[in-house]
Amino acid sequence: DAGVIQSPRHEVTEMGQEVTLRCKPISGHNSLFWYRQTMMRGLELLIYFNNNVPIDDSGMPEDRFSAKMPNASFSTLKIQPSEPRDSAVYFCASSLARGGALTGELFFGEGSRLTVL
Amino acid sequence: AQSVTQPDIHITVSEGASLELRCNYSYGATPYLFWYVQSPGQGLQLLLKYFSGDTLVQGIKGFEAEFKRSQSSFNLRKPSVHWSDAAEYFCAASSSNTGKLIFGQGTTLQVKP
Repeated sequence: DAGVIQSPRHEVTEMGQEVTLRCKPISGHNSLFWYRQTMMRGLELLIYFNNNVPIDDSGMPEDRFSAKMPNASFSTLKIQPSEPRDSAVYFCASSLARGGALTGELFFGEGSRLTVL
Repeated sequence: AQSVTQPDIHITVSEGASLELRCNYSYGATPYLFWYVQSPGQGLQLLLKYFSGDTLVQGIKGFEAEFKRSQSSFNLRKPSVHWSDAAEYFCAASSSNTGKLIFGQGTTLQVKP
């Protein structure tokens, strides 16, 4: 079975440019999570969706960040405009909420490494 | 505030030696508990999980973890470490109400030949 698929795996861009990261969750999973990983702050939850609806976006750093999930098989995380401090590895993860209850058992993609110059 | 703490940032063990990685949590009620492993350049993989019941849980790759309510701990163990176990290990917890997963800072495991 295919796991969580993220693209691009690596992105190098210049400050001020728009960045779009993409994620395809595991088929049948109904929850999707975006995490950011840095050396200084570790793994931070940015936002998560349940049944394509954003549930908690309290981790989104600022208005430059936005995330969408137009259908059950696709999500994007957009940064506009990008800044050097956004450089990090961004992970997408999906999960199956049983009976509406999330358990925290997540399946992660391999990540998108973003470098903003 | 809810938190997960991994006191050891870096641990080095010899191949074949036993391993214990520490994890403590701070939650209002007993959370769901997890250990994930991350190899370089890879995403995180679930090693094991604790929801309820038997406090000693078995995972993949020969790992086990023990939940101790009195100590708010969920330490990961392996009786004999293999060189391929070198990786970063994350303890995580989620509330049964929200399912929101919070990670510890991670412990990097180095295995000496």
